[in-house]
Amino acid sequence: EAQVTQNPRYLITVTGKKLTVTCSQNMNHEYMSWYRQDPGLGLRQIYYSMNVEVTDKGDVPEGYKVSRKEKRNFPLILESPSPNQTSLYFCASRERNSPLHFGNGTRLTVT
Amino acid sequence: GENVEQHPSTLSVQEGDSAVIKCTYSDSASNYFPWYKQELGKRPQLIIDIRSNVGEKKDQRIAVTLNKTAKHFSLHITETQPEDSAVYFCAAVQGAGNMLTFGGGTRLMVKP
Repeated sequence: EAQVTQNPRYLITVTGKKLTVTCSQNMNHEYMSWYRQDPGLGLRQIYYSMNVEVTDKGDVPEGYKVSRKEKRNFPLILESPSPNQTSLYFCASRERNSPLHFGNGTRLTVT
Repeated sequence: GENVEQHPSTLSVQEGDSAVIKCTYSDSASNYFPWYKQELGKRPQLIIDIRSNVGEKKDQRIAVTLNKTAKHFSLHITETQPEDSAVYFCAAVQGAGNMLTFGGGTRLMVKP
């Protein structure tokens, strides 16, 4: 089944403790991206990647890192999480001029 | 870069009525326009899309229209049902860089 898999679904952590949210897609898509969604707000892009070893900042990249060492994986790294990074995170992938396929989301709480 | 504006931000209709959500985009090079539906606590899912060489597309109760000259596109839902209640996002994909930009979202509430 074609899908984008992100883990974990829920994560509660403390300020400053490094964490990684994994994302994997099995559709051989070149393009992958991360979004955060806060209550009452839309989808804001954090980082995106057009291909292996190619990553670019989106609209809200501060406090996040990503890597794209393999085509299928695009992990999101928070080196020193802060409470303002409490949010719902979505990973997504697509081909050119094709719709985005979203993962199920990761609800992160930073206390 | 591309800028996509979506209106209204909230829309309340009576069951059975029609709902229309409108989006405008700024980059005339945009050539692909998907629409997503997001139910509470779930991921956005594609419901319909349209490419720039087409003016209208229908899928049962859902239709999308595109006016390239005016740079706007709209989602039309007819005979709304309570299960249509969700947040809807429009998006535009730029031709050259193939960047996807979302509109701000519309919360649709269908009252039974």
